[in-house]
Amino acid sequence: DIQMTQSPSSLSASVGDRVTITCRASQGINNDLAWFQQKPGKAPKSLIYAASSLQSGVPSKFSGSGSGTDFTLTISSLQPEDFATYYCQQYNSYPYTFGQGTKLEIK
Amino acid sequence: QVQLVQSGAEVKMPGASVKLSCKASGYTFTTYAMHWVRQAPGQRLEWMGWVNGGNDDSRFSLEFQGRVTISRDTSASTAYMELSSLTSEDTAVYYCVRTLAGTYRPDYWGQGTVVTVSS
Repeated sequence: DIQMTQSPSSLSASVGDRVTITCRASQGINNDLAWFQQKPGKAPKSLIYAASSLQSGVPSKFSGSGSGTDFTLTISSLQPEDFATYYCQQYNSYPYTFGQGTKLEIK
Repeated sequence: QVQLVQSGAEVKMPGASVKLSCKASGYTFTTYAMHWVRQAPGQRLEWMGWVNGGNDDSRFSLEFQGRVTISRDTSASTAYMELSSLTSEDTAVYYCVRTLAGTYRPDYWGQGTVVTVSS
Protein backbone atom coordinates (compact mmCIF):
# COMPACT_ATOMS: atom_id res chain seq x y z
CA ASP A 1 0.00 0.00 0.00
CA ILE A 2 1.10 3.58 -0.62
CA GLN A 3 1.77 5.42 2.61
CA MET A 4 0.77 9.07 2.84
CA THR A 5 2.51 11.26 5.38
CA GLN A 6 1.41 14.79 6.16
CA SER A 7 3.43 17.46 7.89
CA PRO A 8 3.00 19.04 10.23
CA SER A 9 0.49 16.98 12.19
CA SER A 10 -0.71 20.16 13.85
CA LEU A 11 -0.28 23.80 13.11
CA SER A 12 -1.17 26.99 14.95
CA ALA A 13 -1.86 30.10 12.93
CA SER A 14 -3.63 33.43 13.20
CA VAL A 15 -6.53 34.87 11.24
CA GLY A 16 -5.10 36.44 8.10
CA ASP A 17 -2.08 34.14 7.91
CA ARG A 18 -1.08 32.05 4.93
CA VAL A 19 -0.28 28.41 5.71
CA THR A 20 1.09 25.45 3.79
CA ILE A 21 0.52 21.77 4.54
CA THR A 22 2.70 19.10 2.97
CA CYS A 23 1.76 15.59 1.92
CA ARG A 24 4.34 13.02 0.87
CA ALA A 25 3.64 9.70 -0.85
CA SER A 26 5.82 6.64 -0.29
CA GLN A 27 6.03 6.18 -4.06
CA GLY A 28 5.19 8.25 -7.12
CA ILE A 29 1.49 8.87 -7.68
CA ASN A 30 1.61 11.30 -10.63
CA ASN A 31 -0.95 13.96 -9.68
CA ASP A 32 -3.55 11.52 -8.32
CA LEU A 33 -4.07 13.40 -5.08
CA ALA A 34 -7.08 14.93 -3.37
CA TRP A 35 -7.43 17.23 -0.36
CA PHE A 36 -10.27 17.36 2.15
CA GLN A 37 -11.30 19.57 5.06
CA GLN A 38 -13.02 18.12 8.10
CA LYS A 39 -14.53 19.93 11.05
CA PRO A 40 -15.30 18.16 14.33
CA GLY A 41 -18.34 15.92 14.15
CA LYS A 42 -18.88 16.67 10.46
CA ALA A 43 -18.36 14.82 7.20
CA PRO A 44 -15.27 15.79 5.25
CA LYS A 45 -15.58 18.39 2.52
CA SER A 46 -13.83 17.94 -0.81
CA LEU A 47 -11.45 20.75 -1.70
CA ILE A 48 -9.06 19.70 -4.45
CA TYR A 49 -8.59 16.81 -6.89
CA ALA A 50 -5.82 16.02 -9.37
CA ALA A 51 -3.42 17.77 -7.00
CA SER A 52 -4.34 21.28 -8.06
CA SER A 53 -7.91 21.39 -9.42
CA LEU A 54 -10.38 23.16 -7.18
CA GLN A 55 -13.73 21.52 -6.57
CA SER A 56 -16.69 23.58 -7.68
CA GLY A 57 -17.66 26.11 -5.04
CA VAL A 58 -14.37 26.00 -3.15
CA PRO A 59 -12.87 29.46 -2.72
CA SER A 60 -9.67 30.31 -4.55
CA LYS A 61 -7.90 30.92 -1.24
CA PHE A 62 -7.26 27.18 -1.34
CA SER A 63 -4.62 25.99 -3.76
CA GLY A 64 -2.79 22.75 -4.32
CA SER A 65 0.40 21.85 -6.09
CA GLY A 66 2.82 19.00 -6.62
CA SER A 67 3.35 15.86 -8.60
CA GLY A 68 5.10 12.57 -8.06
CA THR A 69 5.67 12.19 -4.33
CA ASP A 70 5.48 15.70 -2.85
CA PHE A 71 2.39 17.84 -2.62
CA THR A 72 1.25 20.97 -0.85
CA LEU A 73 -2.02 22.58 0.16
CA THR A 74 -1.85 26.32 0.70
CA ILE A 75 -4.54 28.36 2.38
CA SER A 76 -4.23 32.09 2.11
CA SER A 77 -5.74 34.72 4.36
CA LEU A 78 -7.03 32.35 7.04
CA GLN A 79 -10.51 32.98 8.34
CA PRO A 80 -12.10 31.47 11.47
CA GLU A 81 -14.04 28.94 9.35
CA ASP A 82 -10.79 27.54 7.92
CA PHE A 83 -9.62 26.11 11.24
CA ALA A 84 -10.17 22.38 10.80
CA THR A 85 -8.33 19.16 10.05
CA TYR A 86 -7.04 18.64 6.54
CA TYR A 87 -6.41 15.27 4.88
CA CYS A 88 -4.71 14.27 1.66
CA GLN A 89 -5.61 11.09 -0.22
CA GLN A 90 -3.88 9.28 -3.06
CA TYR A 91 -5.94 7.52 -5.70
CA ASN A 92 -3.16 6.30 -7.96
CA SER A 93 -3.43 2.71 -6.83
CA TYR A 94 -5.64 0.57 -4.65
CA PRO A 95 -6.25 0.82 -1.81
CA TYR A 96 -6.70 4.55 -1.91
CA THR A 97 -4.98 5.84 1.21
CA PHE A 98 -5.22 8.96 3.34
CA GLY A 99 -2.68 10.94 5.26
CA GLN A 100 -2.96 11.10 9.02
CA GLY A 101 -4.36 14.61 8.92
CA THR A 102 -3.12 18.08 9.82
CA LYS A 103 -5.02 19.91 12.53
CA LEU A 104 -5.04 23.64 11.91
CA GLU A 105 -5.71 25.57 15.11
CA ILE A 106 -6.12 29.20 15.96
CA LYS A 107 -3.09 30.76 17.64
CA GLN B 1 -29.48 19.89 -5.35
CA VAL B 2 -27.29 16.87 -4.84
CA GLN B 3 -27.94 15.02 -1.61
CA LEU B 4 -26.58 11.81 -0.17
CA VAL B 5 -28.65 10.68 2.80
CA GLN B 6 -27.30 7.79 4.82
CA SER B 7 -29.16 5.38 7.05
CA GLY B 8 -29.29 5.75 10.81
CA ALA B 9 -26.92 4.72 13.55
CA GLU B 10 -26.39 1.04 14.25
CA VAL B 11 -25.34 -0.90 17.33
CA LYS B 12 -24.16 -4.44 16.66
CA MET B 13 -22.81 -7.36 18.61
CA PRO B 14 -19.38 -8.73 17.70
CA GLY B 15 -19.67 -11.27 14.90
CA ALA B 16 -22.78 -9.66 13.44
CA SER B 17 -23.20 -7.96 10.07
CA VAL B 18 -24.36 -4.47 9.22
CA LYS B 19 -25.79 -3.10 5.98
CA LEU B 20 -25.69 0.64 5.45
CA SER B 21 -27.47 2.62 2.77
CA CYS B 22 -26.78 5.86 0.97
CA LYS B 23 -29.73 7.32 -0.92
CA ALA B 24 -28.83 9.73 -3.68
CA SER B 25 -30.96 12.51 -5.14
CA GLY B 26 -30.52 15.54 -7.34
CA TYR B 27 -28.49 13.88 -10.08
CA THR B 28 -28.42 10.91 -12.45
CA PHE B 29 -27.38 8.02 -10.21
CA THR B 30 -25.97 5.90 -13.02
CA THR B 31 -23.49 8.56 -14.12
CA TYR B 32 -21.56 8.43 -10.87
CA ALA B 33 -19.80 5.93 -8.67
CA MET B 34 -20.18 5.75 -4.91
CA HIS B 35 -17.24 5.21 -2.63
CA TRP B 36 -17.30 4.27 1.03
CA VAL B 37 -14.90 5.69 3.57
CA ARG B 38 -14.82 5.11 7.31
CA GLN B 39 -13.27 6.86 10.27
CA ALA B 40 -12.68 5.15 13.61
CA PRO B 41 -12.65 7.42 16.68
CA GLY B 42 -9.61 9.67 16.59
CA GLN B 43 -8.23 7.96 13.50
CA ARG B 44 -7.54 8.91 9.92
CA LEU B 45 -10.01 8.32 7.14
CA GLU B 46 -9.92 4.84 5.60
CA TRP B 47 -11.08 4.04 2.07
CA MET B 48 -13.17 0.87 1.80
CA GLY B 49 -14.28 0.51 -1.80
CA TRP B 50 -16.65 1.69 -4.50
CA VAL B 51 -19.49 0.65 -6.77
CA ASN B 52 -20.31 2.04 -10.19
CA GLY B 53 -23.81 3.45 -10.25
CA GLY B 54 -24.24 2.47 -13.91
CA ASN B 55 -23.16 -1.18 -13.81
CA ASP B 56 -22.05 -3.88 -11.41
CA ASP B 57 -18.41 -2.84 -11.32
CA SER B 58 -17.07 -2.60 -7.80
CA ARG B 59 -13.77 -2.71 -6.03
CA PHE B 60 -12.84 -2.88 -2.39
CA SER B 61 -9.78 -2.69 -0.21
CA LEU B 62 -8.15 -6.04 0.48
CA GLU B 63 -8.21 -4.97 4.12
CA PHE B 64 -11.88 -5.98 4.05
CA GLN B 65 -11.61 -8.97 1.73
CA GLY B 66 -14.26 -11.55 2.43
CA ARG B 67 -16.15 -9.21 4.75
CA VAL B 68 -17.44 -6.37 2.60
CA THR B 69 -20.07 -6.18 -0.12
CA ILE B 70 -20.70 -2.91 -1.91
CA SER B 71 -23.77 -2.81 -4.14
CA ARG B 72 -26.35 -0.51 -5.60
CA ASP B 73 -30.03 -0.42 -6.56
CA THR B 74 -30.46 1.92 -9.50
CA SER B 75 -34.26 1.91 -9.20
CA ALA B 76 -33.89 3.33 -5.69
CA SER B 77 -30.81 5.47 -6.46
CA THR B 78 -29.22 3.89 -3.44
CA ALA B 79 -25.81 2.43 -2.72
CA TYR B 80 -25.20 -0.12 0.01
CA MET B 81 -22.24 -1.28 2.03
CA GLU B 82 -22.48 -4.49 4.01
CA LEU B 83 -19.75 -5.48 6.46
CA SER B 84 -19.75 -8.85 8.19
CA SER B 85 -17.92 -10.52 11.08
CA LEU B 86 -17.86 -7.23 12.96
CA THR B 87 -15.36 -6.60 15.73
CA SER B 88 -14.83 -3.64 18.01
CA GLU B 89 -12.30 -2.34 15.49
CA ASP B 90 -15.16 -1.75 13.06
CA THR B 91 -16.65 0.87 15.37
CA ALA B 92 -16.50 3.97 13.22
CA VAL B 93 -18.40 6.58 11.25
CA TYR B 94 -19.05 5.33 7.72
CA TYR B 95 -19.41 7.81 4.86
CA CYS B 96 -20.51 7.48 1.26
CA VAL B 97 -18.83 9.77 -1.26
CA ARG B 98 -19.88 10.52 -4.81
CA THR B 99 -17.45 10.66 -7.70
CA LEU B 100 -17.89 10.80 -11.44
CA ALA B 101 -17.80 7.25 -12.84
CA GLY B 102 -14.56 6.36 -14.60
CA THR B 103 -12.51 8.88 -12.70
CA TYR B 104 -11.92 9.97 -9.14
CA ARG B 105 -13.26 13.41 -8.41
CA PRO B 106 -14.95 13.05 -5.03
CA ASP B 107 -17.37 15.88 -4.50
CA TYR B 108 -20.40 15.24 -2.31
CA TRP B 109 -20.33 13.32 0.96
CA GLY B 110 -23.12 11.73 2.94
CA GLN B 111 -23.66 12.84 6.52
CA GLY B 112 -22.16 9.65 7.92
CA THR B 113 -23.54 6.64 9.81
CA VAL B 114 -22.21 5.74 13.24
CA VAL B 115 -21.68 2.02 13.72
CA THR B 116 -20.91 0.81 17.22
CA VAL B 117 -19.80 -2.76 17.79
CA SER B 118 -20.09 -3.77 21.40
CA SER B 119 -21.15 -6.73 23.49
